[in-house]
Amino acid sequence: GAVVSQHPSRVICKSGTSVKIECRSLDFQATTMFWYRQFPKKSLMLMATSNEGSKATYEQGVEKDKFLINHASLTLSTLTVTSAHPEDSSFYICSARDPQEATEAFFGQGTRLTVV
Amino acid sequence: ELKVEQNPLFLSMQEGKNYTIYCNYSTTSDRLYWYRQDPGKSLESLFVLLSNGAVKQEGRLMASLDTKARLSTLHITAAVHDLSATYFCAVDEETSGSRLTFGEGTQLTVNP
Repeated sequence: GAVVSQHPSRVICKSGTSVKIECRSLDFQATTMFWYRQFPKKSLMLMATSNEGSKATYEQGVEKDKFLINHASLTLSTLTVTSAHPEDSSFYICSARDPQEATEAFFGQGTRLTVV
Repeated sequence: ELKVEQNPLFLSMQEGKNYTIYCNYSTTSDRLYWYRQDPGKSLESLFVLLSNGAVKQEGRLMASLDTKARLSTLHITAAVHDLSATYFCAVDEETSGSRLTFGEGTQLTVNP
């Protein structure tokens, strides 16, 4: 089946720095990718929908300037957490759908972000 | 706003027993997904249910979908310890670019 690769799997950064997380669709082109955030023992919350060639669509309450999303190609979306703070520490997961198999949603491996 | 509710949220069961996890959702949708998540890991797809009356089985797990009742069930038969994980259902909002809305998750612990 289709694969979505996310990198890095773990990252520790200092407060005030920025961190970039990559999400790649390895064997299909994705015009839309989704970024989720998950707190410990909680469910996944959609942060934003990444649209290739246009601006991302952010969910209510998600700061656009804080969580920068770029979807510059049909196989890559990036999430940059800017000026990170400890409260940004979380598990971030991306998802994409293969247009050829539109019913299935594929998830990346997730990125554990720890801001110290 | 689409709401997806799972119950129970926590389930502790003995090996060999049967149990059902329920997933209710608040809007019309013909697509429902079940995922498994192990601690520290991402989601593993279990089932994709695409129509009313759909039933799928894999090993000790069986999922069904009743779109009229807006209800899906995940039935566990003769549980084993390896099934211990968190299980999520998710509903496809077809009118919103096919994004998924997740239930709260059911943390399953199977005790020897």
